[in-house]
Amino acid sequence: ETGVTQSPTHLIKTRGQQVTLRCSSQSGHNTVSWYQQALGQGPQFIFQYYREEENGRGNFPPRFSGLQFPNYSSELNVNALELDDSALYLCASSLSDRVFNEQFFGPGTRLTVL
Amino acid sequence: ELKVEQNPLFLSMQEGKNYTIYCNYSTTSDRLYWYRQDPGKSLESLFVLLSNGAVKQEGRLMASLDTKARLSTLHITAAVHDLSATYFCAVDARSMNSGYSTLTFGKGTMLLVSP
Repeated sequence: ETGVTQSPTHLIKTRGQQVTLRCSSQSGHNTVSWYQQALGQGPQFIFQYYREEENGRGNFPPRFSGLQFPNYSSELNVNALELDDSALYLCASSLSDRVFNEQFFGPGTRLTVL
Repeated sequence: ELKVEQNPLFLSMQEGKNYTIYCNYSTTSDRLYWYRQDPGKSLESLFVLLSNGAVKQEGRLMASLDTKARLSTLHITAAVHDLSATYFCAVDARSMNSGYSTLTFGKGTMLLVSP
């Protein structure tokens, strides 16, 4: 069984640029959630994708967008990067059965915005 | 809006001592998770607590859940240096409209165990 993988591991961008982060979900999982973890803080929910559609969204602006593909992998896109976007981005996959769906986290992508 | 509060946020303790980390949350939920995070790393799942009165133990760590008090505790027994890390509790909140479930995290407790 393959766990959750994310790429790239680290990324450095400058303000105003755009970035795409990638996540491959654990085998058999159909739901991907993305979280942003700023330094010294707990992870914050960005959005969730279920069967290729956005299923829920946290308090993040529209320049944070995502996609989920038929194989349930996912992308997080951030446009017009700001310094405060520097963070560890975590994706988590789960199997949504609307009863209990434990989320399994990937290793994260560390984004630095200069 | 669900709020999750952990305390203390920083804990420095000596090896061999016992201590408890507290996690309070503001809305009804019967699913709570504890995670460990080492510096620069992702989240490692420690415990999944699914019902009122749930208690789980792994090594020197024991977690419990009281859904009526909206409180979970993570108890550390006879701490060792290897337990030094940041510990997060996270509450699973299900949206009433869409039915989707997501995690709301506390700010974390940074634990430093010294000889």
